[in-house]
Amino acid sequence: QVQLVQSGAEVRKPGAAVKVSCQASGYTLTDYYMFWVRQAPGQGLEWMGWINPNAGGTNYAQKFQGRVSMTRDTSTNTAYMELSRLTSDDTAVYYCARDFRPPNIPASLDYWGQGTLVSVSS
Amino acid sequence: QSALTQPRSVSGSPGQSVTISCTGTSSDVGYYDYVSWYQRHPGRAPKLLIYDVTERPSGVPDRFSGSKSGNTASLTISGLQTEDEADYYCCSFGGNYYVFGTGTKVTVL
Repeated sequence: QVQLVQSGAEVRKPGAAVKVSCQASGYTLTDYYMFWVRQAPGQGLEWMGWINPNAGGTNYAQKFQGRVSMTRDTSTNTAYMELSRLTSDDTAVYYCARDFRPPNIPASLDYWGQGTLVSVSS
Repeated sequence: QSALTQPRSVSGSPGQSVTISCTGTSSDVGYYDYVSWYQRHPGRAPKLLIYDVTERPSGVPDRFSGSKSGNTASLTISGLQTEDEADYYCCSFGGNYYVFGTGTKVTVL
């Protein structure tokens, strides 16, 4: 069965960076785009961007451009999201989610990771 | 890109129907038929309920239905059940971005 297992909670100081992993099982990572979504405390879901694990292409939300990097390691079926220059506003639960649609059709996310809490505090 | 606007909360008794609205702009909800809906129980990952405005993934009960008119999409839950108490989020494609709604808490009275 399809599973996305994310890395554990992280604590960082302002200005630091964090890298969250998302290991896929039950399917081949390169067969589907991977999205990253976050939810800050008391807030709604927020789209961060996506990666095409096959070719490595990415598309980042304008808000995060220059600060986010989405990569993958096809040998371990794992996707990564790194966010730099963290501030307290980046405190949130970060999710990876699989897009089950073909690449030329806008996404819908059928499987989600369990979420990774990133806390930013001095 | 601003978050899509949803009511903060809706409520209903078991067996009743509730409808959640999701208002965007002519650049996202109004332009594309690519609105999806997600259900999120506390402490759990979101679950896909509806995609492409009206389509249900296999395994999602037909109590859940989606529609769209102009810049507003809607999710209707018919025959409300206690397990439907959760947060619901819409999401729309906007050309080169995706935008989620502000979220709606559904309470089963």
